[in-house]
Amino acid sequence: DGGITQSPKYLFRKEGQNVTLSCEQNLNHDAMYWYRQDPGQGLRLIYYSQIVNDFQKGDIAEGYSVSREKKESFPLTVTSAQKNPTAFYLCASSIGGLGASYNEQFFGPGTRLTVL
Amino acid sequence: RKEVEQDPGPFNVPEGATVAFNCTYSNSASQSFFWYRQDCRKEPKLLMSVYSSGNEDGRFTAQLNRASQYISLLIRDSKLSDSATYLCVVKWSTGGFKTIFGAGTRLFVKA
Repeated sequence: DGGITQSPKYLFRKEGQNVTLSCEQNLNHDAMYWYRQDPGQGLRLIYYSQIVNDFQKGDIAEGYSVSREKKESFPLTVTSAQKNPTAFYLCASSIGGLGASYNEQFFGPGTRLTVL
Repeated sequence: RKEVEQDPGPFNVPEGATVAFNCTYSNSASQSFFWYRQDCRKEPKLLMSVYSSGNEDGRFTAQLNRASQYISLLIRDSKLSDSATYLCVVKWSTGGFKTIFGAGTRLFVKA
């Protein structure tokens, strides 16, 4: 079955630690995205990638880093520089990038990160 | 003013009721519009795209009003399984491509 997988489902981090969230897709989509969701707020874009070896900052990139070495994979690292990392992190992919008008984004099941 | 605004609710309705949600957007050059559904502690999933002429999918009807800059979602004959949060999504290309998600409207359908 085609889809997007994220791991782990739950992640606990101590302050000062870097952690990496995994996102893999087998939909053959070019574009991939990372969002953060906080209670009472809409999804906010952290980073996106429209093609392998290229990625762009979203609205809240500070304290995060990504890589896109393979089309299928777009891991997100939450660094110790991110001051309020506790949130629900969602990875998504789409056939076209942000410039495509009616372009559904497919989401993975998410990772809940809690800083202890 | 937020770029995309939704009434957070919650909307509490009985089974069989008709319920409508609105979503306003600030950018008059917005190009495409969507409604996503998000179940509790799950990922969002596309419910329907919203086209200029309006569109219907079973019990769900979506409409776009460009003059007043809002989209709407109407759910007829509500089912218990419709209980979820409904996210409004707007895309535009002015000043760079952007996809903006609303904070969502919570719906509870009761027996």
